[in-house]
Amino acid sequence: NAGVMQNPRHLVRRRGQEARLRCSPMKGHSHVYWYRQLPEEGLKFMVYLQKENIIDESGMPKERFSAEFPKEGPSILRIQQVVRGDSAAYFCASSPPGSGELFFGEGSRLTVL
Amino acid sequence: GNSVTQMEGPVTLSEEAFLTINCTYTATGYPSLFWYVQYPGEGLQLLLKATKADDKGSNKGFEATYRKETTSFHLEKGSVQVSDSAVYFCALRSLGGNEKLTFGTGTRLTIIP
Repeated sequence: NAGVMQNPRHLVRRRGQEARLRCSPMKGHSHVYWYRQLPEEGLKFMVYLQKENIIDESGMPKERFSAEFPKEGPSILRIQQVVRGDSAAYFCASSPPGSGELFFGEGSRLTVL
Repeated sequence: GNSVTQMEGPVTLSEEAFLTINCTYTATGYPSLFWYVQYPGEGLQLLLKATKADDKGSNKGFEATYRKETTSFHLEKGSVQVSDSAVYFCALRSLGGNEKLTFGTGTRLTIIP
């Protein structure tokens, strides 16, 4: 059973470009979470999604950031018009419903030049 | 709101030394408590957890006891190894909430031979 798969592992963008980060949850997991880790800081919750639904987006910046988890395919975290402050590691986690445990991917490291 | 306060690092110990990483929390009700470990270049892995007061979580020689009276969940290991070098995160999940975790800032541990 493959773990949570994230890609790309590393992404470099110039200011103003768009970044798309993808996450495929573990097989059988219907819940996806996105976290952001700034350098030398802990993980900050961004958004929690189930298939075709955003359940909790209380940690998402109001502008430029969006997330989706379509019926088919991976979850996507999209950052428009990136700025240097968006440089961070973005981690995706998945869980089966009601399990109480999150399984994390290896993260996508975004660098904005 | 929920918060987790962790002992600041970095922490450097010699092999076979005793380890304590302090963690205290603020939450309403009785949250579940977790320790996650992040090895270099990897995602987070669940190390251990406790779901109610006085529970002791343990794994790979690490232990942590859920202390409601002191709102703490300190991580301990009697004899550390070089392979324990990693960043350790304390986290909580509120009772009745979704699986969203609130993380501490992480403690970087380096074990020298």
